[in-house]
This record gives sequence, C-alpha cells and structure tokens, in this order.
Amino acid sequence: DAGVTQTPRHEVAEKGQTIILKCEPVSGHNDLFWYRQTKIQGLELLSYFRSKSLMEDGGAFKDRFKAEMLNSSFSTLKIQPTEPKDSAVYLCASSLDGRDTEVFFGKGTRLTVV
Amino acid sequence: QQKVQQSPESLTVSEGAMASLNCTFSDRSSDNFRWYRQHSGKGLEVLVSIFSDGEKEEGSFTAHLNRASLHVFLHIREPQPSDSALYLCAVSPSNMGYKLTFGTGTSLLVDP
Repeated sequence: DAGVTQTPRHEVAEKGQTIILKCEPVSGHNDLFWYRQTKIQGLELLSYFRSKSLMEDGGAFKDRFKAEMLNSSFSTLKIQPTEPKDSAVYLCASSLDGRDTEVFFGKGTRLTVV
Repeated sequence: QQKVQQSPESLTVSEGAMASLNCTFSDRSSDNFRWYRQHSGKGLEVLVSIFSDGEKEEGSFTAHLNRASLHVFLHIREPQPSDSALYLCAVSPSNMGYKLTFGTGTSLLVDP
C-alpha cells in the first residue's frame, strides 16, 4: 500500500503566482481532505471530498483556494494568487468512509511564498 | 464550535521516563478522540484512537479519556529518542470521524 502521496514535497513561489499541489489518496478510499498546518493555527481543514463530491469548502479559504477531485485517485489544490501568508505545510489525507475509520495523512507539501 | 487545546506546548524527558501529554476539548458530545505523531518533515501517524471513557493501550502508548472533565491524556511508556516528535490530539463527533478538530500540539524531546 503506497499510502497518501503528495507532490511536490517543497514549493517556493513568488507572491502573485499560481501554484498547484497534487495528492493521490490511498487506493479504495472514498474520502479526501486537504489541511493547512501552521505553528500558530495548527491544522485547519481546507476541503473535504466524499466520493469525488465536494462536501466542505473551508469558508475562510474560499476566495483564493480551489480544490478539485478529477477522479477517485487524484486531487489538486490550486492557490491563486499566492500571498506570503499562505506559507505553510499543506497536508492531504484520505479515509475509507470518514465516519469512524482512520484518516491517513500524506507527508505534506511545504509551501514558501516570497 | 469545538476547541481543542494541548499542554504543555513542549516537553523534555529522559529516555525511559514516562511522558504525559494533556488535551482538553470543549464539546462533551464528542465521541472520537485520536492521538497522532508527526516527525519533522513527515506526515501524521495515528498512535491510538479512543471512543469511550477509560483507557486504551497501543504498544507503548496509552490514551485515557474522561469526558466529564473534558480531558484526554496520552502516556508514553519508556520513550526513546526516536519518539521525539510533535504529538497532536484530534477530536471529532460521533459518526463524523472526518470532522477532526486538532490541537496545536506538544513538541516532545526525549534525551538519550
């Protein structure tokens, strides 16, 4: 089992650029999550998909953040345009059904916006 | 809205000495409690999940839940330097395991 795979592991962007982060969930999992992790705020939910349908789209992140799930094995998170305050670790996670099953996390993408 | 706080923010223990981490939450109707570990530059690794009051042991990790006092503890028995990491508490409502609310974590350093 390959687990949750995220690419790239590190990304450096200039303010105003568009960046796209990628995630492959665990094979067979129906739920996919995008989180942002900072030291001050901890982990914050950005988006939640169930069977490819967007179930939750974090209110504070709607304007410049867009997550998509084109098929059951691939998701992207687009940030457009990037701002220095977007510098954080972006974690993707998946679970079988999101009710009481375990949530498995990827290693994250560390984004630095300069 | 669920609030989850962890203490202490950082903790240093000697190798082999018990480490105890604390997590408090605000919603007594919460049913799912998980402890995760995150090594530097890595993803989150689930250590133990607990769904009812009492204790749950997984290897050297024991979670202790007391919903009346709004606390869930993590005890690490005989920690090793390889256990040095960020420990995160996550809480979610019953049947909505995906709605995880995380604390900001306790950074544990185990001195050899």
